[in-house]
Amino acid sequence: DVKVTQSSRYLVKRTGEKVFLECVQDMDHENMFWYRQDPGLGLRLIYFSYDVKMKEKGDIPEGYSVSREKKERFSLILESASTNQTSMYLCASTGWGSGGEQFFGPGTRLTVL
Amino acid sequence: AQSVSQHNHHVILSEAASLELGCNYSYGGTVNLFWYVQYPGQHLQLLLKYFSGDPLVKGIKGFEAEFIKSKFSFNLRKPSVQWSDTAEYFCAVNLDSNYQLIWGAGTKLIIKP
Repeated sequence: DVKVTQSSRYLVKRTGEKVFLECVQDMDHENMFWYRQDPGLGLRLIYFSYDVKMKEKGDIPEGYSVSREKKERFSLILESASTNQTSMYLCASTGWGSGGEQFFGPGTRLTVL
Repeated sequence: AQSVSQHNHHVILSEAASLELGCNYSYGGTVNLFWYVQYPGQHLQLLLKYFSGDPLVKGIKGFEAEFIKSKFSFNLRKPSVQWSDTAEYFCAVNLDSNYQLIWGAGTKLIIKP
């Protein structure tokens, strides 16, 4: 069974802290994505990666960075967390030839105080 | 820019009612179409998908969707909903077999027992 795991289900951080969210997939997928999900706004793409060490900005990259040192792992970094980054963060992956079907992790609900 | 529209942000139905959730996209090329569902507290999962062939596709839990190319639509239907269908439903579109998805804003469905 395909699996995408995220390091935490719930996280509470303080303004200004550096935050790491990690995602691991076991499907040997080339492409990985970080989204944030907010009520009424659907899923908004933060960053994606189509290969190890490669990254591309999505629609809302400001305030975030990413790292992909290994194929199976894609990390989202909030350099200095702010209250407007309180959200649900979703990681997804897909392989070439899958027609775009993405597989999702359980999400991390981040609260920044 | 390409976009996906879900017409209803909130839908409330009684059990056994019929359901139709609208999804329209703005792109004239080749598309792959998806409906995802997120049950309360659970991760996003695929409900059904259309790549080619029969425009009426069946998914899990009695859901189906019809692709109407001339209307750029991919509406989700279920003849008789159950309380357990309470969830948020997302329509997503993949363009020209790119690996990215364009997402609708989601529809929150509440089924009254």
